[in-house]
Amino acid sequence: GAVVSQHPSWVICKSGTSVKIECRSLDFQATTMFWYRQFPKQSLMLMATSNEGSKATYEQGVEKDKFLINHASLTLSTLTVTSAHPEDSSFYICSARRDEHQPQHFGDGTRLSIL
Amino acid sequence: ILNVEQSPQSLHVQEGDSTNFTCSFPSSNFYALHWYRWETAKSPEALFVMTLNGDEKKKGRISATLNTKEGYSYLYIKGSQPEDSATYLCASLTGGGNKLTFGTGTQLKVEL
Repeated sequence: GAVVSQHPSWVICKSGTSVKIECRSLDFQATTMFWYRQFPKQSLMLMATSNEGSKATYEQGVEKDKFLINHASLTLSTLTVTSAHPEDSSFYICSARRDEHQPQHFGDGTRLSIL
Repeated sequence: ILNVEQSPQSLHVQEGDSTNFTCSFPSSNFYALHWYRWETAKSPEALFVMTLNGDEKKKGRISATLNTKEGYSYLYIKGSQPEDSATYLCASLTGGGNKLTFGTGTQLKVEL
């Protein structure tokens, strides 16, 4: 149990394009979903926390107009990288959890390359 | 300690060796300590969620201890096998249970 699906796994697109990444909890209802970014040789960095039906809480330094997060249901959160530029190229990974006492369950991640 | 720190950064052991890694975290605003195993081309897999000082948890050949007063946790692997090769991440949960801050991980390679 506790499967999280993330799509797409790999995206290559031109500068200026907007890219949407989906994160779905397949077999449980996730009250909270999280979006992380990983730079090479660095740890997973929390970008934002997403609660179903409410606005996402962004970490300091993360542009909310650049990284749009929508958590429309208890099983789906989306991250849209708007007008992506080469510096947005990175590995993005989502996670979901039932409550704060439970571990987070991760998707497989999305490698985004902006040309 | 201001950040979550893990050591060593990488480790090569022989099959059958026992090994351990360290995770140091800020002891203030502590809510829980998580351990994850992240194999190449897979998603991170939860190993343990630990909350109480002195807590010890075990899953097969893997075990972990927690000291919340001094801010550290140890992960032990007994009789390492090649399938244990992965990056082991620890993360400190703070902010009332809403913010998970990860260390950079310990990359373990178990050789035959």
